[in-house]
Amino acid sequence: DADVTQTPRNRITKTGKRIMLECSQTKGHDRMYWYRQDPGLGLRLIYYSFDVKDINKGEISDGYSVSRQAQAKFSLSLESAIPNQTALYFCATRGASGYEQYFGPGTRLTVT
Amino acid sequence: LAKTTQPISMDSYEGQEVNITCSHNNIATNDYITWYQQFPSQGPRFIIQGYKTKVTNEVASLFIPADRKSSTLSLPRVSLSDTAVYYCLVGGGYGGSQGNLIFGKGTKLSVKP
Repeated sequence: DADVTQTPRNRITKTGKRIMLECSQTKGHDRMYWYRQDPGLGLRLIYYSFDVKDINKGEISDGYSVSRQAQAKFSLSLESAIPNQTALYFCATRGASGYEQYFGPGTRLTVT
Repeated sequence: LAKTTQPISMDSYEGQEVNITCSHNNIATNDYITWYQQFPSQGPRFIIQGYKTKVTNEVASLFIPADRKSSTLSLPRVSLSDTAVYYCLVGGGYGGSQGNLIFGKGTKLSVKP
């Protein structure tokens, strides 16, 4: 089984809808991240969390919110989706004593 | 923020050594340099990380000059399966700010037979 899982893998939604992307990990890592990837722009950090009580904004947090429900779960929400949020979203984890990030398989989100 | 600049694309042939350079002029004292590999429709995968001088593992080497304003990922004897996008990441080291995790735009490496 994969160490970092994301659900859904693909989602099409309409402008104005609320949507939640979920990430779960079995690595026991404290640190979790959400990135978005757009063609030609690489990966950009949206939010990150060091533990359940810690949430931090990344480079592009506007229009997004997150929830760290447990050490193993980190959810990304779009309260009112807009077309320019169409992108590939990745969740990642990292251990407190390590430096490598482990990425999930990604969620492809399309907002029409 | 320590932004990075990489070539957009590179071409190579099987068996050749490939060197991809990343510029990070504003790197902070506590920042590490990390490289990731990404295949289509997959999440990035860690390749190598370093702070200064040279680091080598079973798949790549990383060269970092004394001023740390650039770094070079070296892939020895590439194969077709090395065709991927390679990202340079600066930040996130011990004591460094997690909020300063900046990915470059990536270098698309195409390996030809």
